[in-house]
Amino acid sequence: QSALTQPASVSGSPGQSITISCTGTSSDVGGYNYVSWYQQHPGKAPKLMIYEVTNRPSGVSHRFSGSKSGNTASLTISGLQAEDEADYHCSSHTNSNSWVFGGGTKLTVL
Amino acid sequence: EVQLVESGGGLVQPGGSLRLSCEASGFTFSNSWMHWVRQGPGKELMWVSWISSNGIDTSYADSVKGRFTISRDNARNTVFLQMSSLRAEDTALYYCARATGGAAAGDWGQGTLVTVSS
Repeated sequence: QSALTQPASVSGSPGQSITISCTGTSSDVGGYNYVSWYQQHPGKAPKLMIYEVTNRPSGVSHRFSGSKSGNTASLTISGLQAEDEADYHCSSHTNSNSWVFGGGTKLTVL
Repeated sequence: EVQLVESGGGLVQPGGSLRLSCEASGFTFSNSWMHWVRQGPGKELMWVSWISSNGIDTSYADSVKGRFTISRDNARNTVFLQMSSLRAEDTALYYCARATGGAAAGDWGQGTLVTVSS
């Protein structure tokens, strides 16, 4: 199972919006509405930010939103804040009844 | 409060074995599917394995299939990962995670470090 494709890095200024893409295949991202996004600060465990493509767990800011088109899912963060600077990982359920993660994207808030 | 506490990591030689444990608290463990996810030096997350709530069903990443075995003891609220024939590329921080629906892991431990080196 090949890893999902994410950009290595993205950046934005405070207050701006950024979007991180996550590209897979019809065997994972495109085949299921089971895409999740995780935020990970240095030295910390991942934190679930989005599940089932668009849903936010309780307590996650409304500034985080998810979407999907075909084999590509996206995470959008609006109103960037300094605390959003972190690594972001996408994941998807696959047709092998397994999970697959992306390579991770480092978000820098300028 | 949900807590997942991993243990059992350490330094092991190539070809060796190690058993990781993850003790859970703060939720009904016997109702939860559990996962192991690892993060290597390059920071990429890699899904390793999952086990169903009753322990009957399991699944593994191709790279660990035949070498790793996931199991659980619902009486002890603990999930295990038995790792054998370890390779240098298995070196990683191993996280235990709880599936919270929608093929997502809503709760994670802090990880236990496995280093495979001679």
